[in-house]
Amino acid sequence: DTGVSQDPRHKITKRGQNVTFRCDPISEHNRLYWYRQTLGQGPEFLTYFQNEAQLEKSRLLSDRFSAERPKGSFSTLEIQRTEQGDSAMYLCASSFPRLAGEGYNEQFFGPGTRLTVL
Amino acid sequence: GEDVEQSLFLSVREGDSSVINCTYTDSSSTYLYWYKQEPGAGLQLLTYIFSNMDMKQDQRLTVLLNKKDKHLSLRIADTQTGDSAIYFCAVPPSGSARQLTFGSGTQLTVLP
Repeated sequence: DTGVSQDPRHKITKRGQNVTFRCDPISEHNRLYWYRQTLGQGPEFLTYFQNEAQLEKSRLLSDRFSAERPKGSFSTLEIQRTEQGDSAMYLCASSFPRLAGEGYNEQFFGPGTRLTVL
Repeated sequence: GEDVEQSLFLSVREGDSSVINCTYTDSSSTYLYWYKQEPGAGLQLLTYIFSNMDMKQDQRLTVLLNKKDKHLSLRIADTQTGDSAIYFCAVPPSGSARQLTFGSGTQLTVLP
């Protein structure tokens, strides 16, 4: 399977604990994105990497959140001191500059990691 | 910031056409996208339109773009039960061609 993969698929944790999620993008994709989706809403952008550089961060990404992509391949998203409001589906996506035209940015999404904070 | 709005629900009979609407407040004016999300599955790109076009047709799908009114629509002809899913429009906000701002999604239910 050459799609975007995420691990784990489900995570249940207690409030105050730290959690880390992993995303493996499609191998030739140099751009990687993290989004958060809550029930009944569309995905909300969190952050974006081009290769190993973190180029954009949303104001949603509080100090308790940190994302890395150390070698420009897989990425991790860590949430420290989890709160019940962090319960959501965390989606990873990747993309690669395409010939469809400047600015074309089809993003391929993984299945997500569902986080439940008790 | 960018605001993207969609109606939450749409119900149609099998064989009828479905029209899903989306309005946005701002855009970096490049490409606009429609994604589909089925239960237990990830988001998949359905189609897209470049901002200098007003219509794009792709088999059963027709995308209409009215830039003046900042209105995007997706028409599905001959809707099938397999089309039941949540449909999201996604727009790159001003100042970023990389991130996407998604609407809340329209739950399409196709009745037999």
